[in-house]
Amino acid sequence: DAGITQSPRHKVTETGTPVTLRCHQTENHRYMYWYRQDPGHGLRLIHYSYGVKDTDKGEVSDGYSVSRSKTEDFLLTLESATSSQTSVYFCAISETATSTDTQYFGPGTRLTVL
Amino acid sequence: KQEVTQIPAALSVPEGENLVLNCSFTDSAIYNLQWFRQDPGKGLTSLLLIQSSQREQTSGRLNASLDKSSGRSTLYIAASQPGDSATYLCAVPAGANNLFFGTGTRLTVIP
Repeated sequence: DAGITQSPRHKVTETGTPVTLRCHQTENHRYMYWYRQDPGHGLRLIHYSYGVKDTDKGEVSDGYSVSRSKTEDFLLTLESATSSQTSVYFCAISETATSTDTQYFGPGTRLTVL
Repeated sequence: KQEVTQIPAALSVPEGENLVLNCSFTDSAIYNLQWFRQDPGKGLTSLLLIQSSQREQTSGRLNASLDKSSGRSTLYIAASQPGDSATYLCAVPAGANNLFFGTGTRLTVIP
């Protein structure tokens, strides 16, 4: 299995509070991704990174920000959590761009916003 | 916008049966198609990646085919086992750095 860890694995928080999720990889892959998985919607891309300090928006980026200061770490921040952001969040990595390469996924973080 | 559909949403089969999972996509201009497996409460595991120039890929009891012209892919599982029970997802690239996922087929193999 690819060396990808996510922390925390579970979190319950209240509406309006900031939340940061962490993805850590030991594979030295260039690309990192954050997805959310919701029933009936499948997985949807939130943000991705194509290098240190290089990030871009995905399909459902509103309300989320990301940062990548080191190759191995990709942080996802919910500035002010809302109940609609209750979801399971997955981090993924790939060595090259998605159009040519497979992605490897972390174990996920289950976030509940009350 | 690319749409990826997987039908049926759920499937139950007795152990030992051969089965086919279906994936269809609306935009045939894809670079590749991937099949993933997801166990309950876990992340996704890549099973097979078929490049657009290929028609099929095999790994053990799994065989995936790709027909770009018809916008379809199938995942064939031979001699199913209870350990194959999981949700199977297909995904196609959307641009250079995004994947469009289907909502998956939940497979249950009954001993």
